[in-house]
Amino acid sequence: DTGVSQDPRHKITKRGQNVTFRCDPISEHNRLYWYRQTLGQGPEFLTYFQNEAQLEKSRLLSDRFSAERPKGSFSTLEIQRTEQGDSAMYLCASSLTGASSGNTIYFGEGSWLTVV
Amino acid sequence: DAKTTQPPSMDCAEGRAANLPCNHSTISGNEYVYWYRQIHSQGPQYIIHGLKNNETNEMASLIITEDRKSSTLILPHATLRDTAVYYCIVRGGGTSYGKLTFGQGTILTVHP
Repeated sequence: DTGVSQDPRHKITKRGQNVTFRCDPISEHNRLYWYRQTLGQGPEFLTYFQNEAQLEKSRLLSDRFSAERPKGSFSTLEIQRTEQGDSAMYLCASSLTGASSGNTIYFGEGSWLTVV
Repeated sequence: DAKTTQPPSMDCAEGRAANLPCNHSTISGNEYVYWYRQIHSQGPQYIIHGLKNNETNEMASLIITEDRKSSTLILPHATLRDTAVYYCIVRGGGTSYGKLTFGQGTILTVHP
């Protein structure tokens, strides 16, 4: 296993269409995170899962966004009725859990979304 | 999570040490300091993290002051490939345990 894998790496879609991104975390990592990054800004937290449970969602995650991790392994992030403001890089990350915050979070290479 | 303050940009000559500072004056006792970097159009890359003691790995060294209110990331022999945005992040515990809150970071430019 070489790291967090994201697919597709690039997606161009027309406004109003739905898009779905997939993330495969590092094996045995039970935590999975989604972030969004727009040009010139640092990544912003969207949501995270521990196994299949979605434990936290940011206010950035509007009702057009939905994330799932049905079997506690891979995850999908779906954006419905895309808007031009959704154009960004969507980052997935994973980690182990532990008794402290010393478990490193590893990121994938991101999925670029362009809404035209 | 504690907020961090970093200079917006820094320059470094190739082959010299790059010392990137970070202030985190409101850090709590159970919060770790993490450093990531992001090269253009790629996902953030983990560099190093620490709690109290100084840390070193194959990529960098992390120096944390005794009061833990600031830290310095040291790249001992910077190369052109080290040009990137460097993020200093304080990672909290409790219900926010797990997520990282990124700031604007420091743009490090390594020049020949």
